[in-house]
Amino acid sequence: ENVVTQSPGTLSLSPGERATLSCTASQIVHSGHLGWYQHKPGQAPRLLIYGASNRAIGTPDRFIGSGSGTDFTLTINRLEPEDFAVYYCQQYDMSSRLTFGPGTKVEI
Amino acid sequence: QVQLEQSGPGLMKPSQTLSLTCAISGDSVSSNSVAWNWIRQSPSRGLEWLGRTYYRSKWLNDYALSVESRITINPDTSKNEFSLQLNSVTPEDTAVYYCARDPGYCYSCLDVWGQGTTVTVSS
Repeated sequence: ENVVTQSPGTLSLSPGERATLSCTASQIVHSGHLGWYQHKPGQAPRLLIYGASNRAIGTPDRFIGSGSGTDFTLTINRLEPEDFAVYYCQQYDMSSRLTFGPGTKVEI
Repeated sequence: QVQLEQSGPGLMKPSQTLSLTCAISGDSVSSNSVAWNWIRQSPSRGLEWLGRTYYRSKWLNDYALSVESRITINPDTSKNEFSLQLNSVTPEDTAVYYCARDPGYCYSCLDVWGQGTTVTVSS
């Protein structure tokens, strides 16, 4: 099973700053099958990035996904108040299973 | 516009079987490019993918190793919905359960989610 870790666990920043979130898989992620989700309390998770670097419909361009192989990054430029949330990465592996990382909380 | 509407009980006792349903509008459970997923979220474990069902000339399923012995996900083509059954629940199965769609064109991403169902397992 491809184990996914995220760092840091919590990121304390102010509006206008840049957030850099890391996601590492224990095995190579199958053909870029890596997504990023934003999760706020009381809401369903929201897809932000798919295929490691493609923005989903409605994702602002301040969200940038990058990386390949086992190491991926989500960068949020110029944090807006609505960006404070928990962010999860998710991968799909050769055994046809999806796994999520433990999440990074971006807090003020 | 694709929408997913979840239904099912929120309070259960240990050893019972959890049953949830996800009704689909704007897409078909039988689409041969889409996969239909169940995920849960708890404070202790974050987001946990449970499994999926999909049609590729025949019905197929994939399940997470953590629940593989207890889980069944089934499509219902007559109602255009899919269901989750989780047997022998324990308090560790207490979580918010979500259904979600993998549209097939975005590298196994989950682009549409249900509203979530809070399930509490307690004696």
